Amino acid sequence: GNSVTQMEGPVTLSEEAFLTINCTYTATGYPSLFWYVQYPGEGLQLLLKATKADDKGSNKGFEATYRKETTSFHLEKGSVQVSDSAVYFCALTKAAGNKLTFGGGTRVLVKP
Amino acid sequence: GAGVSQSPRYKVAKRGQDVALRCDPISGHVSLFWYQQALGQGPEFLTYFQNEAQLDKSGLPSDRFFAERPEGSVSTLKIQRTQQEDSAVYLCASSLQAGPYNEQFFGPGTRLTVL
Repeated sequence: GNSVTQMEGPVTLSEEAFLTINCTYTATGYPSLFWYVQYPGEGLQLLLKATKADDKGSNKGFEATYRKETTSFHLEKGSVQVSDSAVYFCALTKAAGNKLTFGGGTRVLVKP
Repeated sequence: GAGVSQSPRYKVAKRGQDVALRCDPISGHVSLFWYQQALGQGPEFLTYFQNEAQLDKSGLPSDRFFAERPEGSVSTLKIQRTQQEDSAVYLCASSLQAGPYNEQFFGPGTRLTVL
């Protein structure tokens, strides 16, 4: 079946540091890939997505590139802010289906 | 406009009680999903509706779990004879159209605690 594996947290960074959260997936065919973010006290929000190989999703300074050869979708941000403190979830959905399969989440804490 | 809303936000049940969790999707959204999120874990799929039709219920963990969306808008997730392992946050999401490229908008969740 489909699965998503992401690095465990928590990840603690200083403001303006570089952030990478690794995500790899297992799926047959060509899934669509997503990063969702959950800020403290809020619901899950879509951060970015990519629907085919070599696509790059980007939003709010975050980027992730769909790498089919390594089955990866790593999230990066060049300079984090305190407001980026949240839990980040990598997820996939298959072209023939609709349900999201999530990774376990990575908590990120950015200190001033 | 209003997002996805869920009620109640918190529910405490004694083991063996039945509970009903409500989801109000964004108006006009065709697809509706239920997910279960255990503490410290990612959400796990429970069931999916397209309008009033329940097209996928493969994630429901047992026959104690039942979901409905009779008029294609509001949905209710019912859990009968609750057990401690049912304690989790139950998330509802909706999307405008069917298909994997359509963004799912999530509600705030209902936190269920079974004592």
